[in-house]
Amino acid sequence: QVQLQQWGAGLLKPSETLSLTCAVYGGSFSGYYWTWIRQPPGKGLEWIGEINYSGSTNYNPSLKSRVTISLDTSKNQFSLKLSSVTAADTAVYYCARTPYDRNYGNPTYFDYWGQGTLVTVSS
Amino acid sequence: DIQMTQSPSSLSASVGDRVTITCRASQNIDSHLNWYQQKPGKAPRLLIYAASSLQSGVPSRFSGSGSGTDFTLTISSLQPEDFATYYCQQSHRTPRTFGQGTKVDVK
Repeated sequence: QVQLQQWGAGLLKPSETLSLTCAVYGGSFSGYYWTWIRQPPGKGLEWIGEINYSGSTNYNPSLKSRVTISLDTSKNQFSLKLSSVTAADTAVYYCARTPYDRNYGNPTYFDYWGQGTLVTVSS
Repeated sequence: DIQMTQSPSSLSASVGDRVTITCRASQNIDSHLNWYQQKPGKAPRLLIYAASSLQSGVPSRFSGSGSGTDFTLTISSLQPEDFATYYCQQSHRTPRTFGQGTKVDVK
């Protein structure tokens, strides 16, 4: 049974760096993309970015200048860093697994999700 | 970016009703469309992938159809546990984008 467990600081001040980690238990770590998604309170879902087992990344252009996604294959973990946060970055952040479609050559859907971490940015 | 537009934004329904939610993409996304269900305080749950494939463990009353730009999620007979918010998501191009959500509540 695949499980994603995430953790990180829940309260930040403006200009600080958000840092979250997601650990993957069960299943293979390779052969998938690993994704971060966020959801502001009461609003919809926003894709932040993804990383594959080789370390290749794709980021949302709206966040690209501030985002870094990395992975530690020895621990089956991947991480998100978002710099220079503001109140607009207040959201629940989710990690998710994304299968890769070899026929199409693209990541697909989000089939397993972490429990979510509420990150609040406030002075 | 590919814009995803869901309709309606909300709907009220009763147990046993047939419910249909539509999702329109701003450009052709072939069949690279997924549907999720989200309940308050919980992570989204994958229901349908590749427009019409039912995720393992999801009840058969959920179905998806469409290709190109127009897609539909149908719940054939609404159950009490189906009251939730539903999102479509395209996986055709980065950035991956979601619809704004459709909230299904009790009539």
